[in-house]
Amino acid sequence: AAGVIQSPRHLIKEKRETATLKCYPIPRHDTVYWYQQGPGQDPQFLISFYEKMQSDKGSIPDRFSAQQFSDYHSELNMSSLELGDSALYFCASSASGGLRYEQYFGPGTRLTVT
Amino acid sequence: KQEVTQIPAALSVPEGENLVLNCSFTDSAIYNLQWFRQDPGKGLTSLLLIQSSQREQTSGRLNASLDKSSGRSTLYIAASQPGDSATYLCAVVSQGGSEKLVFGKGMKLTVNP
Repeated sequence: AAGVIQSPRHLIKEKRETATLKCYPIPRHDTVYWYQQGPGQDPQFLISFYEKMQSDKGSIPDRFSAQQFSDYHSELNMSSLELGDSALYFCASSASGGLRYEQYFGPGTRLTVT
Repeated sequence: KQEVTQIPAALSVPEGENLVLNCSFTDSAIYNLQWFRQDPGKGLTSLLLIQSSQREQTSGRLNASLDKSSGRSTLYIAASQPGDSATYLCAVVSQGGSEKLVFGKGMKLTVNP
């Protein structure tokens, strides 16, 4: 079965640089979520999109922006990177319209800021 | 604001034991609760999802129960194996518009051979 795809899997950037993370949801899933997991921390919700519109926003820094495209893939853009942005970034997708709200997670992108 | 708690933070047991992992949440108005497994530095693997109308779900040696009114869930692992060693996280989707998952801080399980 198709799963959520994230690219790249690993990314190393320097402070003040920009990074773009990509997420390809499971086919026919219309909702995408982004989570950030710092070292030793639980995943924290950043932002979500439903049918290409932002549906919810969590503790996402103003330096970050995201969007969902017409093919439902999503990109998380991170500018002016800081050391504290080093984390695992997960994308999850779900199919709306039911009661399950089950989210399927991708393998994550490990971002290291040096 | 929904808060999810998992106690204890870590557990070390000998192989073969039956285990109970606890999860509590402060707001009982939830759509569902999911249990995840995470190996070090790896992604989140969904183990079980319990909808708010359900009491329990089973998958192999895993059984998860939900008591929504008391804000509690338990994950039961039968006949634990060293391969079960991982961090287990529970997370809920609360009612009220947002479909985001709110996670507990996880419980690190070590099963010793």
